[in-house]
Amino acid sequence: EVQLVDSGGGLVQPGGSLRLSCAASGFTFSSYWMSWVRQAPGKGLEWVANIKQDGSEKYYVDSVKGRFTISRDNAKDSLYLQMNSLRADDTAVYYCARGIGVVTSYYFDHWGQGTRVTVSS
Amino acid sequence: DIVMTQSPDSLAVSLGERATIRCKSSQSVLYSSDSKNYLAWYQQKPGQPPKLLIYWASTRESGVPDRFSGSGSGTDFTLTISSLQAEDVAVYYCQQYYSTPGWTFGQGTKVAIK
Repeated sequence: EVQLVDSGGGLVQPGGSLRLSCAASGFTFSSYWMSWVRQAPGKGLEWVANIKQDGSEKYYVDSVKGRFTISRDNAKDSLYLQMNSLRADDTAVYYCARGIGVVTSYYFDHWGQGTRVTVSS
Repeated sequence: DIVMTQSPDSLAVSLGERATIRCKSSQSVLYSSDSKNYLAWYQQKPGQPPKLLIYWASTRESGVPDRFSGSGSGTDFTLTISSLQAEDVAVYYCQQYYSTPGWTFGQGTKVAIK
């Protein structure tokens, strides 16, 4: 059974940092693009970042470029999101998601349960 | 980025009746080389992550009840629930994966029981 377990969220002050993790199991992690998608309170879904199977390609939504870094450790079947210079509008539930499709054109067939990030003083 | 616009924002349907949600993209998501529409639909229940329902605009994910169907091509798409059940109360999102990077979602449509 495919499982994605998100962790690392919490309360952080503006300007602070957090590192989110996603532990994968039940599939060959190294064969899939992986993504982070977030959902602000009461709002819709927003793709944040993704990373190619071998980590050689990474993409970010404009609003997080230069502040967030996505990475993966295929030996540990884990995905990460390092978030720096956090702002109030980064407050959201962050989900890791597995991508499936054609090359970089993929939809998300499995999602983690989400981890909540609150940026507030 | 491709903008996805869903309508309506919310709807209330009687149990057993049909629910129809529309999704319009700001540009075509039909890829001419493979004649596929790069559009997916998700269901999100309160407190839960999204769940994939439909991909390639009309292919139902394994395990999804056949009362859920997707249709459309190019820029206009529809998700239909043929006979609404109580467990279908949720928010539904469309997503394009034609223009990448830059995966974008619709704003969501909330489905309730009338």
